[in-house]
Amino acid sequence: DVKVTQSSRYLVKRTGEKVFLECVQDMDHENMFWYRQDPGLGLRLIYFSYDVKMKEKGDIPEGYSVSREKKERFSLILESASTNQTSMYLCASSFQVVRPQHFGDGTRLSIL
Amino acid sequence: KQEVTQIPAALSVPEGENLVLNCSFTDSAIYNLQWFRQDPGKGLTSLLLIQSSQREQTSGRLNASLDKSSGRSTLYIAASQPGDSATYLCAVGGYGGATNKLIFGTGTLLAVQP
Repeated sequence: DVKVTQSSRYLVKRTGEKVFLECVQDMDHENMFWYRQDPGLGLRLIYFSYDVKMKEKGDIPEGYSVSREKKERFSLILESASTNQTSMYLCASSFQVVRPQHFGDGTRLSIL
Repeated sequence: KQEVTQIPAALSVPEGENLVLNCSFTDSAIYNLQWFRQDPGKGLTSLLLIQSSQREQTSGRLNASLDKSSGRSTLYIAASQPGDSATYLCAVGGYGGATNKLIFGTGTLLAVQP
């Protein structure tokens, strides 16, 4: 079974802090994704990566950056956290574009 | 711009009933369609993936169909059980020619009453 692991289930940070969310997958997947999920808005794609050091913006990249130094790890960075970034963050990975995306359990991030 | 709609937003059924969840999308130029299940406070579990060239996929008590021309997909759950209670999400892939991206509906919250 595919395992996508997000480093924290719950995280509380302060406005202006630099925040790192980590995601690791154990199936040698090329593609990795970061989404945020908000009530009434559903899941929205922030960034994705189709190879090491390769990244592409999703629908809502503003205020975020990503890093993929190794194939199995994809990090989401909030450069200067703001209260409107309080949300559930979900990481996913897939082997090929035609294969299903597999999700981690999510990180519920609160920015105070 | 691709839009994905799921109706109804919430559904409550007695245990044992067969049920259908609906998903519609506005742009038929999709690469695939995926159905997910999400339990409260958890991530998404992939249920079924239908490629654009396929009409349906089955897994156990679940059957998903796809009609690209009409922009619709259905998820059929046979003999529902209380353990099926969750939010069900559909997502279409390949909008705008970018086959890596998924556009999600806002989900149907299913409650199966014992």
